[in-house]
Amino acid sequence: DAGITQSPRHKVTETGTPVTLRCHQTENHRYMYWYRQDPGHGLRLIHYSYGVKDTDKGEVSDGYSVSRSKTEDFLLTLESATSSQTSVYFCAISEIYGKTANNEQFFGPGTRLTVL
Amino acid sequence: GENVEQHPSTLSVQEGDSAVIKCTYSDSASNYFPWYKQELGKRPQLIIDIRSNVGEKKDQRIAVTLNKTAKHFSLHITETQPEDSAVYFCAASYNNQGGKLIFGQGTELSVKP
Repeated sequence: DAGITQSPRHKVTETGTPVTLRCHQTENHRYMYWYRQDPGHGLRLIHYSYGVKDTDKGEVSDGYSVSRSKTEDFLLTLESATSSQTSVYFCAISEIYGKTANNEQFFGPGTRLTVL
Repeated sequence: GENVEQHPSTLSVQEGDSAVIKCTYSDSASNYFPWYKQELGKRPQLIIDIRSNVGEKKDQRIAVTLNKTAKHFSLHITETQPEDSAVYFCAASYNNQGGKLIFGQGTELSVKP
């Protein structure tokens, strides 16, 4: 597996509390992504980053914010968690060659978040 | 926006049979189509991918075909084995920026010995 770790791996929290998930990579890849995985929906992109301090929204960004102050770390924050954000969250990394040469995305081990 | 539809949602085959999973996409500019396999409790892992300048790609028992005109692509697994049992996701790039992928809903493949 590519050098990607996520922390925490499991978390239970209460509605209305802030939550931050961390993704850490040792591959020096420029692109990083946050997905959520829910039954029947596959993997849906929340936010992604194309460089330090460069981020953009994905399909399901409402209620989430991200930050990337270093190449190796990409943080996902739920400012006020809701039960609908109960999910498994995956981080992924990738390197893009040229403007459009997509390449494999490597996924982290996932974080299971439960919001009560 | 971009949409990827994947069928079937579940597929059960006997060991040794072939399995086919189909996906359609909506963005005609999509140029990269990966397939991921996810075993229970594990992370998704790439098994094969195809770019829009190629119509077919094979890797041992798995193959992917792409029909750009019809905007659909398929995963073919031959001589299935119990260890092929997993959830398979197709994906398509969109907007040709940032390596963004739209994933299909997934197909749960069960290979019965």
